Amino acid sequence: AQKITQTQPGMFVQEKEAVTLDCTYDTSDQSYGLFWYKQPSSGEMIFLIYQGSYDEQNATEGRYSLNFQKARKSANLVISASQLGDSAMYFCAMREGRGDYKLSFGAGTTVTVRA
Amino acid sequence: DAGVIQSPRHEVTEMGQEVTLRCKPISGHNSLFWYRQTMMRGLELLIYFNNNVPIDDSGMPEDRFSAKMPNASFSTLKIQPSEPRDSAVYFCASSSQLIAETQYFGPGTRLLVL
Repeated sequence: AQKITQTQPGMFVQEKEAVTLDCTYDTSDQSYGLFWYKQPSSGEMIFLIYQGSYDEQNATEGRYSLNFQKARKSANLVISASQLGDSAMYFCAMREGRGDYKLSFGAGTTVTVRA
Repeated sequence: DAGVIQSPRHEVTEMGQEVTLRCKPISGHNSLFWYRQTMMRGLELLIYFNNNVPIDDSGMPEDRFSAKMPNASFSTLKIQPSEPRDSAVYFCASSSQLIAETQYFGPGTRLLVL
């Protein structure tokens, strides 16, 4: 079974608007971590934001925020005030359990920001 | 600070040849990961090391693939013999248990096997 599901293969957003990227996960562990990475067309993987399963507040990093809904097992990424440079593929990933540092990645969502 | 360094950035080789990919993790990081990215299969974890010791190599596709980490600042992923289906982008990532376990990725090696 898929551990990370990203249902939106591609999205378009107008510059300066906000965009929400969906991510749902599947785990029976109580302790886990959720990550978002950005992969621009140049190919590198850039870490954006992290949310621990025991964190009570949603994580934020600049224009990125993670809408963590534990009961629904969702960890959506919100990008506010989109910029042209935000055009990229975005991956959601999960680390399960303690002491196991493997990440499972979703299939990714392509975001295209329009001027 | 230097990030994860990978070399070469691009590699074109012929089927049957040996390929060696290299990675230098971020200084002070004690976990190192090798991933492969393809259009068909997405990002797959091949193997990871903790304190230079291989912890999980269940993602290594077959015996043609091997990985070593002789010291804390260097790792190699070797494919021998290479096949066209090995064509992919290979990423190395490193993390520190002290920093929310975030994995920081290198720029990747784009491998093409003809």
